[in-house]
Amino acid sequence: EDQVTQSPEALRLQEGESSSLNCSYTVSGLRGLFWYRQDPGKGPEFLFTLYSAGEEKEKERLKATLTKKESFLHITAPKPEDSATYLCAVQGGGTYKYIFGTGTRLKVLA
Amino acid sequence: GAGVSQSPSNKVTEKGKDVELRCDPISGHTALYWYRQSLGQGLEFLIYFQGNSAPDKSGLPSDRFSAERTGGSVSTLTIQRTQQEDSAVYLCASSLVGTESNQPQHFGDGTRLSIL
Repeated sequence: EDQVTQSPEALRLQEGESSSLNCSYTVSGLRGLFWYRQDPGKGPEFLFTLYSAGEEKEKERLKATLTKKESFLHITAPKPEDSATYLCAVQGGGTYKYIFGTGTRLKVLA
Repeated sequence: GAGVSQSPSNKVTEKGKDVELRCDPISGHTALYWYRQSLGQGLEFLIYFQGNSAPDKSGLPSDRFSAERTGGSVSTLTIQRTQQEDSAVYLCASSLVGTESNQPQHFGDGTRLSIL
C-alpha cells in the first residue's frame, strides 16, 4: 500500500537556523513527489515536483531533494514568513491518486 | 491568472441539513479532485473527475456524499443529512493531465464546514 510519512510533526526554529524536513514514502513506481506549503485558512500552495532519485530543486531558501525512499526539504536561513505547514505527496505508477502525508508544522521565531 | 475558486469559504449548518459546496477549477484543467482535511489529519481523497470519463468515487465515505461536474468545468460536492463528523475543510484541486509526466495539483482555499 502506498504510504507517506512526514517528520517531524512540528518544528520550531530561530530565524536563520537552517534545518530539514523529511518525507519518507513507499510507492509502486513513483511518478512524482510533490511538496506543498499550506498557510492557516488557505489551500496548499505548490512548491516542487521531483521525479527521480538524485533530483534537486531550489526556490529561494528552500531546496528539495529525492532518494529512492525519501525526500528532504532543506530550509536555509529561514525567516518568520517561512512559518507554515509543509505537505508532501506522492503519485504512484498507474494511478492518478495522490497520497499525502500529514505535514510538518514549521514555526520560525524572530 | 485565476486560480481554483471555492464557495462558500465557510458554512455553518445544523445536523441533518443538506449542504452543497462548489468548485470552479482553473480553465483548461481537465482533472478535478475533492479532498477532506480534518484537524491533524492528512488530505483524505474523496472523488476524482477526468474529462468525460466516469468519476472515481472510491473515496466517498458514505452514500450521503455525492459530486458532479457539469460541462467538464464547475463541480459541486453535496452532503445530505449532515452529521457532526462531516465537519472539516473540503478542498478542491485541479490539474492538467500530462501524458508522460505528472502535473502538480492546484488547490482552492477550501470550504470550512461546521455542523452544529
